[in-house]
Amino acid sequence: SAVISQKPSRDICQRGTSLTIQCQVDSQVTMMFWYRQQPGQSLTLIATANQGSEATYESGFVIDKFPISRPNLTFSTLTVSNMSPEDSSIYLCSVEGGLAGSTDTQYFGPGTRLTVL
Amino acid sequence: GDSVTQMEGPVTLSEEAFLTINCTYTATGYPSLFWYVQYPGEGLQLLLKATKADDKGSNKGFEATYRKETTSFHLEKGSVQVSDSAVYFCALKTLQGAQKLVFGQGTRLTINP
Repeated sequence: SAVISQKPSRDICQRGTSLTIQCQVDSQVTMMFWYRQQPGQSLTLIATANQGSEATYESGFVIDKFPISRPNLTFSTLTVSNMSPEDSSIYLCSVEGGLAGSTDTQYFGPGTRLTVL
Repeated sequence: GDSVTQMEGPVTLSEEAFLTINCTYTATGYPSLFWYVQYPGEGLQLLLKATKADDKGSNKGFEATYRKETTSFHLEKGSVQVSDSAVYFCALKTLQGAQKLVFGQGTRLTINP
């Protein structure tokens, strides 16, 4: 499977600011996704990051709040904008397909633990 | 829509006990099924998967069998270790539209020595 890294691994931010999270894969992948895991909860898909075009957002998530970029087949960013304490979560990227291996299996990065004060 | 229901936790067992974590699903057709594990402070790791009915996924002593008649994918291990303490997530991959993962709520497992 692919090696997936995320930066930063954790951060503490002030209300009203924005944070950009990076996801880097060591091989080209077909699909990249961003998930949110609120404290003690399961994972919820935020959006699918599409290479060279706008991301596809799930119900309840909007581009103005969570802008996403995917400039190539190995890299994506998620920005959490105008943060509030409710945005405190673990944010995870995942990848599927291409050189990452099986086309029906997602592999996850280590996550970014965000705390908003 | 598609959904996954997991056994409520937390689950606490003694070392070498038998483990079962129940998972049932609701979906159109026959989705692929997965178990992921999240160790403390880490991301998700794929534990095992099954892609069609009666398939058995296995890894690290864990097993789960895809049962279409009961729409279940229960996770089992014959003898747990302290190092198995983690949160376990059952998930399915949807077949309709965008093929995304739908997760259960997670089951926290603690193994005592």
